[in-house]
Amino acid sequence: EDQVTQSPEALRLQEGESSSLNCSYTVSGLRGLFWYRQDPGKGPEFLFTLYSAGEEKEKERLKATLTKKESFLHITAPKPEDSATYLCAGTFTGGGNKLTFGTGTQLKVEL
Amino acid sequence: NAGVTQTPKFQVLKTGQSMTLQCAQDMNHNSMYWYRQDPGMGLRLIYYSASEGTTDKGEVPNGYNVSRLNKREFSLRLESAAPSQTSVYFCASSERWGTDTQYFGPGTRLTVL
Repeated sequence: EDQVTQSPEALRLQEGESSSLNCSYTVSGLRGLFWYRQDPGKGPEFLFTLYSAGEEKEKERLKATLTKKESFLHITAPKPEDSATYLCAGTFTGGGNKLTFGTGTQLKVEL
Repeated sequence: NAGVTQTPKFQVLKTGQSMTLQCAQDMNHNSMYWYRQDPGMGLRLIYYSASEGTTDKGEVPNGYNVSRLNKREFSLRLESAAPSQTSVYFCASSERWGTDTQYFGPGTRLTVL
């Protein structure tokens, strides 16, 4: 069964303190790796899609990278407004467009 | 564009009652999905509709039914609600069935007493 595991479960950073969130997946034909941001009481908001190992995408203070076994979401000089839960999900060969989600990393950025 | 909209935002039911959650998208997407989100668990797929006129079971379909009313609308029905169905329900849509990005609605928070 395809699985997506995120770590850490929770992360507390000071404003400006860069860090990375991890998303690892079982190697069974990854077709697409997705990152979403979810604020409390809201639906997941799409951030990035990665399809190939070595691919990178950036948006403001966020950069997502992909290897053959895992993806990282790098947060550079975070601000309090970056506080949210970050969700990783994958689609795998044989699963159609079924997204398999991790349980998320809850990020809190403090002043 | 409103994107994906869901109604209602909140609902409280008693065990055994029925209700329908409504979802609509204005992005002309072909595929639509229903997920549930529970604490400590990832979002799980309940049902999906790869294209208008088709529906299929996802990971946790028991206790639910769906209707793809037209290209824009996809509803989720609980025929006899149970406390185990207390959850937050999200509707999503994507342009095509495949590896396309799914866009999510704001969710419906359902409590079954």
